[in-house]
Order: sequence, then structure tokens, then C-alpha cells
Amino acid sequence: IAGITQAPTSQILAAGRRMTLRCTQDMRHNAMYWYRQDLGLGLRLIHYSNTAGTTGKGEVPDGYSVSRANTDDFPLTLASAVPSQTSVYFCASRKDGGNSGELFFGEGSRLTVL
Amino acid sequence: GQNIDQPTEMTATEGAIVQINCTYQTSGFNGLFWYQQHAGEAPTFLSYNVLDGLEEKGRFSSFLSRSKGYSYLLLKELQMKDSASYLCAVEDSNYQLIWGAGTKLIIKP
Repeated sequence: IAGITQAPTSQILAAGRRMTLRCTQDMRHNAMYWYRQDLGLGLRLIHYSNTAGTTGKGEVPDGYSVSRANTDDFPLTLASAVPSQTSVYFCASRKDGGNSGELFFGEGSRLTVL
Repeated sequence: GQNIDQPTEMTATEGAIVQINCTYQTSGFNGLFWYQQHAGEAPTFLSYNVLDGLEEKGRFSSFLSRSKGYSYLLLKELQMKDSASYLCAVEDSNYQLIWGAGTKLIIKP
């Protein structure tokens, strides 16, 4: 049982480069989320998708974009990486967008922008 | 604004009981979650409260008072493997989760 798979696990990136973090789930969940986690701060929502074909902005969307072409995949793209985007990124999913119980998390992608 | 407050760090002894508090001020309330996160790993689900009262699940219990904007996670018979961060999150009126910064729990033998 895979659950949610993220790739890459870790990446060092030069500032200004484009980067896509991949996220795939096999639970047929409708809702998917991207969070970043920084020391001393709670998980902060970047973008979300309540169903395939729709996306929404979270608390910290600037510099990031997402797409949701199908139910399983929810990639996060940094068009031109900056050092402040150094963080651990978690993809999560749950059955539906609201009031549908727990979120399931991927193992995280540690990104360092130099 | 929306705010979730938890202590930054707590220390407890193996075999003892510890209570981790969480207070919140959010735009609406649709439920409160507790997650456990070991260092370098993903958060994993512990409990969900939507009604006032205590929910017990083995060694872990979670309490909610909606009128006070308050919850706690109670861990009994502490084991070394319980050393982790514990994250409190509230589902707001838009069904988005607002997360606290987490409480790092250190267990000493």
C-alpha cells in the first residue's frame, strides 16, 4: 500500500532555477494539499485542490503553482526558486475537501535553495 | 486573525503522564485534530474531536471544550518512542486546517 508518494526526497537547487515537486496518491482521494513546514512555524498551506480540475490558493501561494489534471497527481512548481523557499514540503490528501476526516501525508521533500 | 497556541517544548519521564494543551481562535470550527510527528518524518494522525468531551484511544486521549477554545492531548504510560512533536490543528469554517507550531515532547528515562 503506497498511500502518498513524493519525489524527490531531497534536492539542492540554485536560485532562479525551476523545480517541480511531484505528489501521487493511490487512495482515490478527491482533496489534495501542499504544505511547507519551517522551524518554529506550523504547517502552512500553499495550494489545495478539492477535486480534479480545480485548485485554490492557501496561506502562502506566492512563487508556487499547482495543477490537478487527474485524481492521483498534484505537482507543485517553483517557477524561479528563491532562498526563502528553502523548506520541507509535505503533500497531503483526504477523501473530500471538507469535513471528511484525517489528512494523510507523504514523507516530505526537503528543498534547499542556494 | 486565526491563531493556534501550543507550548513549544515539554519534558516528561518514561512511564509518567503528560498533558499537552492547545488553545485556538479561528474563524469557525469544524473539528480539531492531533497529529504526531517524529523528527524527519511525516505527521501521522492521532485523534479528531468535534464534540465537547474526552475521546480515549489506548494510551492517548484528547479533550475538547469548544466554548473555551481549548483542547488537550493526554499521553499515559509514556514510552521513549513517544518522543516526538505533537501538532494541533483546527478545521475552520472553510474546512481548511489551521496548524499550531507543534509541541516537542522529550521523554527522559
